[in-house]
Order: sequence, then structure tokens, then C-alpha cells
Amino acid sequence: AQRVTQPEKLLSVFKGAPVELKCNYSYSGSPELFWYVQYSRQRLQLLLRHISRESIKGFTADLNKGETSFHLKKPFAQEEDSAMYYCAERRENAGNMLTFGGGTRLMVKP
Amino acid sequence: EAGVVQSPRYKIIEKKQPVAFWCNPISGHNTLYWYRQNLGQGPELLIRYENEEAVDDSQLPKDRFSAERLKGVDSTLKIQPAELGDSAVYLCASSFSGRGETQYFGPGTRLLVL
Repeated sequence: AQRVTQPEKLLSVFKGAPVELKCNYSYSGSPELFWYVQYSRQRLQLLLRHISRESIKGFTADLNKGETSFHLKKPFAQEEDSAMYYCAERRENAGNMLTFGGGTRLMVKP
Repeated sequence: EAGVVQSPRYKIIEKKQPVAFWCNPISGHNTLYWYRQNLGQGPELLIRYENEEAVDDSQLPKDRFSAERLKGVDSTLKIQPAELGDSAVYLCASSFSGRGETQYFGPGTRLLVL
């Protein structure tokens, strides 16, 4: 069974619209959750992690243990947010091993 | 700082041929990871090294894949012989040791097996 699920392969919004990229995980323990981003022609890089509780580039994500979700949100999308976004999980008994979801391509239209 | 360096960036080979990928991690990073990313999917871990020791290779197809990190710095991932299904992007990442450390990714090697 897929451990990290990103149900949308593609999400298209207009500039200035709110955006939410969905991520669900299956682990019943206490995982760490991350969002990684890959801009066009750039390498995969960390966007944010749930333990930091920070906002990066206007994005936030809240870990909801009841719903086992870690959705990524931004109130007003910008064209430069267009990229591939990957949700990832790290379990407490798995060292530094990450398990990634399948990714969502965000397209922000002008 | 160049970040994680990988070469080659692209490789096209015929099936049954051998292929090798090279990775140079960020200076000082003890932990090195190899991932495979199939088209339309997220990266999947193949093997993780702590210095020169492979500490997690459970996802590495050992019949045709091998990896080494002899001096605890650079690493090589080899496929011999390659199959059509091996076409993917092979990503290398590195981090400091420790569970909370951020992984930094290289640009990847895109392999096409014909």
C-alpha cells in the first residue's frame, strides 16, 4: 500500500488564487512530514518540514494526525510557485530514510 | 559550494549493457543516498551509506545493481546488465549524520535504456 499519497497529479490555479496540495500518509505512529519542491531545471529541495512550524515562500502545512494529512497551503498563488511538489515522510524507526509521494505539478496561470 | 555533483547528467544505452553513475556529496556530509525516480513518481530510496558502510540497501535489486563508497566520500552506482525497466532518473543526496538532518539532492542522471 502507498505510504504517502498525493491524490492530484496536476493542480492548475490562477495567480492570486488560494492553493492547497493534498498529502495523506498511512503511518499510525509519529512520523516527520516534509514538503520538497522541484522548480523547472532545478534540483529537488526542501521547502518545509512540519516540526519547524514555519512559513516558507508563503506556504504553510499543518500536520493533522486525526486525518493523517499534511496538506500544503498558500493563500495567494504566484506564477513562480509553478513547480513539482513532493510530500515525504520519515518514520521514527527508519533512521533518516524518506518515503516520497508521487508528486503534484502545480501550474499557476497568469 | 557546488552542492551534490552527479555525472553523467544523461545516459543512453542499449539493454544488456552496463552503466555507472557517479556522485560527489557536499563536503562534510557523512550520509549519502541513492534514489531512483521513475517517470511520474516520487523518488524511491535504493541505498543509504553512513561513511563507507551501506546501512540500508533493502530496496537495491542486488542481482544487477551494485554500489560502493570506498573512502566514505564519492560513490558509484552500477547496473549490469541494464534492462528496459531501469530507465529512470537516478538521484544522489547527502546529509550530515543524524535523524533530523536535511537531505540535499543532486541534479540527477537521466538514464534511457533502449
